[in-house]
Amino acid sequence: QVQLVESGGGVVQPGGSLRLSCAASGFTFSSYAIHWVRQAPGKGLEWVAFIRYDGSSKYYADSAKGRFTISRDNSKNTLYLQMNSLRAEDTAVYYCAKGQGLGGFDYWGQGTLVTVSS
Amino acid sequence: QSALTQPASVSGSPGQSITISCTGTSSDVGGYNYVSWYQQHPGKAPKLMIYDVSNRPSGVSNRFSGSKSGNTASLTISGLQAEDEADYYCSSYTSSSTLAWVFGGGTTLTVL
Repeated sequence: QVQLVESGGGVVQPGGSLRLSCAASGFTFSSYAIHWVRQAPGKGLEWVAFIRYDGSSKYYADSAKGRFTISRDNSKNTLYLQMNSLRAEDTAVYYCAKGQGLGGFDYWGQGTLVTVSS
Repeated sequence: QSALTQPASVSGSPGQSITISCTGTSSDVGGYNYVSWYQQHPGKAPKLMIYDVSNRPSGVSNRFSGSKSGNTASLTISGLQAEDEADYYCSSYTSSSTLAWVFGGGTTLTVL
């Protein structure tokens, strides 16, 4: 069955960096686009970033542009999110989600919590 | 990338039907048939319930249905059950500035 397992979350100071990982299994990882979606505590969902199945195209939410970098290693079935210049408002649970074409996100991981605080 | 507009809360009694609306613009909901809906129980990851406006993934009850008219999409849940109590989010592909996706603010469904 499809599994997505995020890791790498934790507490980081404002201005700091963190790299999240998402390990995929149960499907042909190299054939699908993957997204990062986040959810601040008690708030709604916010799309963060997209990467095409082969890594050739990447798109970001305005809130992530210039600070976050999405990447993937298809040989390791793993997705990454490098987050730099972190701000308090980046505090959230970060989910990786498998793309359902352009029409949505069909499988989600359990999420990893990122807390930006001094 | 502005959020889509959903009602903050809806409620219904077991067995009844409810509809949750999701209003966007011609750059997202109205411009593409790429609206999806997600159910989220407290402390859990979201679950895809509807994709491409009206398609149900395998395993999702046929009590859930989706539709769209103009810039507004809707999720209807018929035969409400206690287990349907959750937060629901709509999402749409958008090309307003660059390729992107946008979510609604979420709707809390209470089964009375």
